[in-house]
Amino acid sequence: AQKITQTQPGMFVQEKEAVTLDCTYDTSDQSYGLFWYKQPSSGEMIFLIYQGSYDEQNATEGRYSLNFQKARKSANLVISASQLGDSAMYFCAMREGGGYNKLIFGAGTRLAVHP
Amino acid sequence: NAGVTQTPKFQVLKTGQSMTLQCAQDMNHEYMSWYRQDPGMGLRLIHYSVGAGITDQGEVPNGYNVSRSTTEDFPLRLLSAAPSQTSVYFCASTERGGYNEQFFGPGTRLTVL
Repeated sequence: AQKITQTQPGMFVQEKEAVTLDCTYDTSDQSYGLFWYKQPSSGEMIFLIYQGSYDEQNATEGRYSLNFQKARKSANLVISASQLGDSAMYFCAMREGGGYNKLIFGAGTRLAVHP
Repeated sequence: NAGVTQTPKFQVLKTGQSMTLQCAQDMNHEYMSWYRQDPGMGLRLIHYSVGAGITDQGEVPNGYNVSRSTTEDFPLRLLSAAPSQTSVYFCASTERGGYNEQFFGPGTRLTVL
């Protein structure tokens, strides 16, 4: 069965340092997509980054990069140069095959950035 | 573009009442979905639609109905509210072949007493 596991309920990082948020997934599909979303205390869901299963290079978007290790079924989010505004919940999610609007979410990791 | 809009932002219901959560998008997206988010959990899929007139069940469909008469609108109906339906509800849309993000609405916080 499809599943997303985020093993870190909470993380903290010092401002300006890098942090890695872990995500492992389970799927039998060859075609899938992996997403990271940020949810600040205001509650909205903010898209950060996407990685397709056939993408050969790790996705990057500004300070966000996705460390995609297909054989290990992991898709960790790396935030470089953390900022106070990065304090939020972070969700890893997966889309299988052609289920473009059917995302499976992990339980999330709460990140606190300390000055 | 307004993106994905949801109304109301907040709602309190009594057990047994019914109501409709509204969702609209102005991006001409074919695919729309409803999720619920409970405390300490990620979002779970309730119902989804791949186009006008086509809907299907997600992971947690019981107690909810949907219909999709237009591309723009995808309302979620609670038939007889229960305290277990207290949650934050998110509507999302994406385009066909959407290998990129789903666009989420701001959410509706529902409390059932």
